[in-house]
Amino acid sequence: DVKVTQSSRYLVKRTGEKVFLECVQDMDHENMFWYRQDPGLGLRLIYFSYDVKMKEKGDIPEGYSVSREKKERFSLILESASTNQTSMYLCASIPGQGYQPQHFGDGTRLSIL
Amino acid sequence: GQNIDQPTEMTATEGAIVQINCTYQTSGFNGLFWYQQHAGEAPTFLSYNVLDGLEEKGRFSSFLSRSKGYSYLLLKELQMKDSASYLCAPAPRGGSARQLTFGSGTQLTVLP
Repeated sequence: DVKVTQSSRYLVKRTGEKVFLECVQDMDHENMFWYRQDPGLGLRLIYFSYDVKMKEKGDIPEGYSVSREKKERFSLILESASTNQTSMYLCASIPGQGYQPQHFGDGTRLSIL
Repeated sequence: GQNIDQPTEMTATEGAIVQINCTYQTSGFNGLFWYQQHAGEAPTFLSYNVLDGLEEKGRFSSFLSRSKGYSYLLLKELQMKDSASYLCAPAPRGGSARQLTFGSGTQLTVLP
């Protein structure tokens, strides 16, 4: 079974802090994704990566950056956290070929005070 | 871009049948995913339809009409544990195939 692990289930940070959310997958998947999920808005794609050091913007990249230095790890960075970034953050991965279902981590509920 | 529409909420009774609809407008389409998400948990994969028609998988079935931009998820013999949000996600064709856009989800409540 694919395992996608997010480093924290719950995280509380302060406005202006630099925040790192980590995601690790153990199936050698090429593609990794970061979403945020808010009530009434569903899952929205922030960034995705299709290979090491490669990244593409999703629908809502503003205020975020990402890092993919190793294939198994995809980090989401909030450069200067703001209260409107309080949300549930979900990481997902899929292999490189075909239309495979995304495998999600358990999510990180981030609160910015 | 993609435009996805599904009902926000539905309520049904244990043992009943419920149909959750999803309509989409997308430029370039390969197939459509359905996911289930329980409160506070990650989405889990239910089905992926590429061809027109109904695909059955136990108590859950999924239907696709490519020409109408329409899909539905059919849940039979509802159980309390089926209370969850159901997300539809059209999969684009081609270079952006890995990138999904999810609907806002239909929150299903199953009552005893």
